[in-house]
Amino acid sequence: DIQMSQSPSSLSASVGDRVIITCRASQSISTYLNWYQQKPGKAPKLLIFGVSSLQSGVPSRFSGTGSGTEFTLTISSLQPEDFATYYCQQSYNTPRTFGGGTKVEIK
Amino acid sequence: QVQLVESGGGVVQPGGSLRLSCAASGFSFNTYGMHWVRQSPGKGLQWVASIWFDGDNKFYADSVKGRFTISRDISKNTLYLQMNSLRVEDTAVYYCAREDRWLQCFDYWGQGTLVTVSS
Repeated sequence: DIQMSQSPSSLSASVGDRVIITCRASQSISTYLNWYQQKPGKAPKLLIFGVSSLQSGVPSRFSGTGSGTEFTLTISSLQPEDFATYYCQQSYNTPRTFGGGTKVEIK
Repeated sequence: QVQLVESGGGVVQPGGSLRLSCAASGFSFNTYGMHWVRQSPGKGLQWVASIWFDGDNKFYADSVKGRFTISRDISKNTLYLQMNSLRVEDTAVYYCAREDRWLQCFDYWGQGTLVTVSS
């Protein structure tokens, strides 16, 4: 199975800050990398698929880069509604493994 | 609009069984792969099982293999997860999710159903 790891596991940031979350795969997954946002008590929501393609309705302050084994999710200017937990997921093969999550908290 | 609605969660004793359902609407159910993903209290997302768009290919996490069975009823547009020999560590919110066949991402999720395994 492909292992996905994220760093940091949590971070504190202020509104307006630039936030970068890193995701690493245990082997190359090409560009089969997705990002999800989850708020407390809610189902995860697809943010970005295929490394860098924004899901419909997702604000342009979210962006993704990377290929192979290293990927990043960037929030260019953190907004109040962005405080949540973010997960990466590989869809290169089955099982569709997730990273451990990064909780973005208010500083 | 696409909707996924889970049901069937509840409290069950260790060793017991439960069947979860996920009612799908707003899309051609038989042309999408479907997944179950769970989240233990305070923990991250864990993929549990998948059924491919053709209905023939099924996959399971090692932790549930031999105990859980994923299936679907095309006539009812419903996905199922039969869970047997339940363990305390199976306690979680269970989500069903649709996988976009071309984009290979989980583009729609249900609201989740809570399964609690406790004596």
